[in-house]
Amino acid sequence: SQKIEQNSEALNIQEGKTATLTCNYTNYSPAYLQWYRQDPGRGPVFLLLIRENEKEKRKERLKVTFDTTLKQSLFHITASQPADSATYLCAPGGGNTPLVFGKGTRLSVIA
Amino acid sequence: DAGVIQSPRHEVTEMGQEVTLRCKPISGHNSLFWYRQTMMRGLELLIYFNNNVPIDDSGMPEDRFSAKMPNASFSTLKIQPSEPRDSAVYFCASSTRTGDTSETQYFGPGTRLLVL
Repeated sequence: SQKIEQNSEALNIQEGKTATLTCNYTNYSPAYLQWYRQDPGRGPVFLLLIRENEKEKRKERLKVTFDTTLKQSLFHITASQPADSATYLCAPGGGNTPLVFGKGTRLSVIA
Repeated sequence: DAGVIQSPRHEVTEMGQEVTLRCKPISGHNSLFWYRQTMMRGLELLIYFNNNVPIDDSGMPEDRFSAKMPNASFSTLKIQPSEPRDSAVYFCASSTRTGDTSETQYFGPGTRLLVL
């Protein structure tokens, strides 16, 4: 069955540093991968989508990579700020199957 | 746009009672998803609809759970009878899905259910 692993449950970093979150998947060949942000008490909010033929995607301070050989996506937040503190979920998808979400990584940016 | 609307936001009930969760998707979206989120299992897909038709309900835990979508602007998730292990946050999400294209899902605020 499909399995999605996000590198750690929690990640603490200093303000201004780059946060790197990892998403690994097995038994799966997604056509694309999405990243969502979830704040406490709220639903997930879409951030970025990267397709299998794209190596990298950027949006402001966010960067996502997608390595279909390693079956891995990396999510980077540069110049991190306390407001970036949240849980980040990866979700591979494609074909006629719906998204499957990882459990998420809780990021804390310390001032 | 009001976004996805869910009600109630919080529900506390006793074991054995019927629980009905409601969702109004974003106008114009043709796909609707019901998820359950717990610390242990993360965000799990329960069922999804496309054009009001249930497409995949393999994530529904057992016969106690049922979902309906009588029209494009309303869906319900019902648990009868409820059990303490059903305690979780239930999310509804909607998207525009056409065939094989990728879709961004828009989530509602969730319903926090506690079964005593």
